[in-house]
This record gives sequence, C-alpha cells and structure tokens, in this order.
Amino acid sequence: GAVVSQHPSRVICKSGTSVKIECRSLDFQATTMFWYRQFPKQSLMLMATSNEGSKATYEQGVEKDKFLINHASLTLSTLTVTSAHPEDSSFYICSAMGGPFETDTQYFGPGTRLTVL
Amino acid sequence: AQKITQTQPGMFVQEKEAVTLDCTYDTSDPSYGLFWYKQPSSGEMIFLIYQGSYDQQNATEGRYSLNFQKARKSANLVISASQLGDSAMYFCAMREARTGYSTLTFGKGTMLLVSP
Repeated sequence: GAVVSQHPSRVICKSGTSVKIECRSLDFQATTMFWYRQFPKQSLMLMATSNEGSKATYEQGVEKDKFLINHASLTLSTLTVTSAHPEDSSFYICSAMGGPFETDTQYFGPGTRLTVL
Repeated sequence: AQKITQTQPGMFVQEKEAVTLDCTYDTSDPSYGLFWYKQPSSGEMIFLIYQGSYDQQNATEGRYSLNFQKARKSANLVISASQLGDSAMYFCAMREARTGYSTLTFGKGTMLLVSP
C-alpha cells in the first residue's frame, strides 16, 4: 500500500504555544488530505479536508482559526494548532487519497500524539 | 442515526481460530464503499480491505475477507487463522458517493484480543 508519513510522532508543548504537524505522501500524489482527531478509546473524528492549492473544508465545530491547515503541494499538508491548550491534547492522524474515485483508498499516517502542559 | 454500527466493543479469540467482527451501515446512497482498518496500540491506521457497493463478490485479502450482505446492510470482517499480531482495534468505515467519495465515516471500533 501507499505510504504516508507524519512528523513529529510525539510532541509535548507548553500551553499557549503553537505546534505544527506535517503529513507527507511518500510514493504518490495526494489530491486530497484529511486531518482526524482521536481521543483515547474513541473513534476517529474528521476535522477537515484539504485539497492541494485550495482552502480546507472544516467539519462543524472545528475552529478553523485554531487548527490551521495548509496543503501546499500534492505531497504535503500541515496542521498547525495555534495557542494550544491542555484540551487540545489528543492523537492527530492525517490521511491522504490519490484520486476522487470510489476505489481510491485513504492511507493514514502513523499519527502524532500531542500533549499540552 | 449512526451511519456505521459496530456492536462488539471487544472480542476474544484463540490463536489459529477464525473470528468475525460485525459491522452494519446506514445509507440511502446507492453508491458507496466500505472499508476495514486495523489500529494497533502504536496508533497507525492500517488499511485491510475494501468492498464497493456494486461489487458482486465478497472482497478478500489474504486472511481477511469481507462478508458483504447488501440487503442486510452488513459488512462483517472475517479473519481466518488468527495470529497474536492481530490483536488491535478494528474500525469499519464507509464512504458515500454524495460526499464525492471523500469523507470516511467510522464506527466506534472493536477491540480484538488474540490469546495463545
């Protein structure tokens, strides 16, 4: 299957700082990338969908000014958690999809565990 | 109403036995795709198997097969000959044509524990 990387895998930061998470598709061009959030023992919650070169589409209840998404190229999307607070502590996972067709699969990155102190 | 329902919060199976993880879905879209992902304790989501709504045959990938019963709206995952490394969280997910085949909706997951 296709490979998606995420960096960093783990980050600990102080409250009020901003954290950037990178998501890269390593062996395919991702027309669409997705950002999810997962709380312990829960399912994945879609935060936003981004297409290369256009603004991200955020799910209801997700603050776009707090979770900045940039999809600068067909292989890179970044999520910046601005002015992070302890309640933003979570597991963030990105996924990438190579095409818009029914059979196109979302491939997931390994996730980033964010802890805000 | 939940779009994806996984009724088994946890399942236990002995090594080398087969196990079925249940998944039912709800959609009025005639065109959709069903996916199963595995999430080990490390957190990564690993794609296992895909079934399209128009596929006539059940999907199979190695030890994984998807028991697709369209009329019942169920897409159960069957793992044959369980291995210790199969212990993980398993998520069923659906994607509908009305979302442009983009948005995946996940179930709550089933934790599978394989014992020696």
